[in-house]
Amino acid sequence: DGGITQSPKYLFRKEGQNVTLSCEQNLNHDAMYWYRQDPGQGLRLIYYSQIVNDFQKGDIAEGYSVSREKKESFPLTVTSAQKNPTAFYLCASKGLEDTEAFFGQGTRLTVV
Amino acid sequence: GENVEQHPSTLSVQEGDSAVIKCTYSDSASNYFPWYKQELGKGPQLIIDIRSNVGEKKDQRIAVTLNKTAKHFSLHITETQPEDSAVYFCAASGSSNTGKLIFGQGTTLQVKP
Repeated sequence: DGGITQSPKYLFRKEGQNVTLSCEQNLNHDAMYWYRQDPGQGLRLIYYSQIVNDFQKGDIAEGYSVSREKKESFPLTVTSAQKNPTAFYLCASKGLEDTEAFFGQGTRLTVV
Repeated sequence: GENVEQHPSTLSVQEGDSAVIKCTYSDSASNYFPWYKQELGKGPQLIIDIRSNVGEKKDQRIAVTLNKTAKHFSLHITETQPEDSAVYFCAASGSSNTGKLIFGQGTTLQVKP
């Protein structure tokens, strides 16, 4: 089945630790996106990538880092510099010529 | 900057009634307007979308209208059912050719049986 997969579904992090969220797609999409979702604030763009080995900051990139070494994969690292990391993180992908973006099922990150 | 405002934040209707959710956008260059439905603990799923060269689009019980001049677009759900209960997000494409979407704040729709 074609789709976009995020793992893990739930993640707990101690303060001061970096954690990496996985996002993999087998839709042959060029563009991939990371959004953060907080209650009452909709989805805010963290980083996006339109091509392998290239990515751009979104609206709330501080405290996050990404890599795009393969077309299928766009991992997000939440660093210790992110002051309020507890949130629901969503990854999406789309073809460059397409309009529809497909979302993964999300990763809920909690700082303990 | 680019912004999308969505109202209301919560909406409760009786089964069978209609529900309307409204959005306004700030960037006149936006040309694509999707609506997503998100069920609890899941990722958003596209339910309908509209391009700026069209004023209205319908898919069974769901319709979207667009007023480019006023920079408004709305989602209409008729004959609501309990399974329509979810969070709905509107979005508008960013002005650059990056595929970025600017999302509204979301509307929690509750359909009471």
